[in-house]
Amino acid sequence: DAGITQSPRHKVTETGTPVTLRCHQTENHRYMYWYRQDPGHGLRLIHYSYGVKDTDKGEVSDGYSVSRSKTEDFLLTLESATSSQTSVYFCAIRADRDVSYEQYFGPGTRLTVT
Amino acid sequence: AQSVTQLDSHVSVSEGTPVLLRCNYSSSYSPSLFWYVQHPNKGLQLLLKYTSAATLVKGINGFEAEFKKSETSFHLTKPSAHMSDAAEYFCVVSDQSNYQLIWGAGTKLIIKP
Repeated sequence: DAGITQSPRHKVTETGTPVTLRCHQTENHRYMYWYRQDPGHGLRLIHYSYGVKDTDKGEVSDGYSVSRSKTEDFLLTLESATSSQTSVYFCAIRADRDVSYEQYFGPGTRLTVT
Repeated sequence: AQSVTQLDSHVSVSEGTPVLLRCNYSSSYSPSLFWYVQHPNKGLQLLLKYTSAATLVKGINGFEAEFKKSETSFHLTKPSAHMSDAAEYFCVVSDQSNYQLIWGAGTKLIIKP
């Protein structure tokens, strides 16, 4: 258990509304990641962070923004949700002690945009 | 650039028979490779990892994977399938330039009673 929680776990929202997903970790790891999971695509990286206020884009960043004002929290915001952003969102951390770069995942947030 | 190909989207085996899930990778560097498992409506769990030590890697729940550089493969095996192994399995390679993970599309393992 890597001490990662995500909130909310489920959300239904309407097209055009803003949505913020929260990822919280208890172990002060430097690297945090947001992915989305869609059938047939595995996981795709949206954004990642390598420290407080240090973030960068991933493979599918369009329509998403992130913020990290504290080590333990990494927020993902959909500024204006679209139906194509219906997905399951996973947060992950990379343990600072590991040299093999594996990541540990939160339980996921299922987002439905109607 | 690194990439991962999982050769089967679905694999169906009978309980008690061997499991083989196939994965090929492409990497310019000596890669780190992983298998993750995701049970239905659950999160992702690390099953095993290869990091340039022994080429045969043992993981949890009786799974193993063998790194074959000449074949650029990292296939996942288990001698005897159990009903609880029904899940989706992801082969993953670490991009050595930025340590990001590159994911395969996944293989759904179905266990027949």
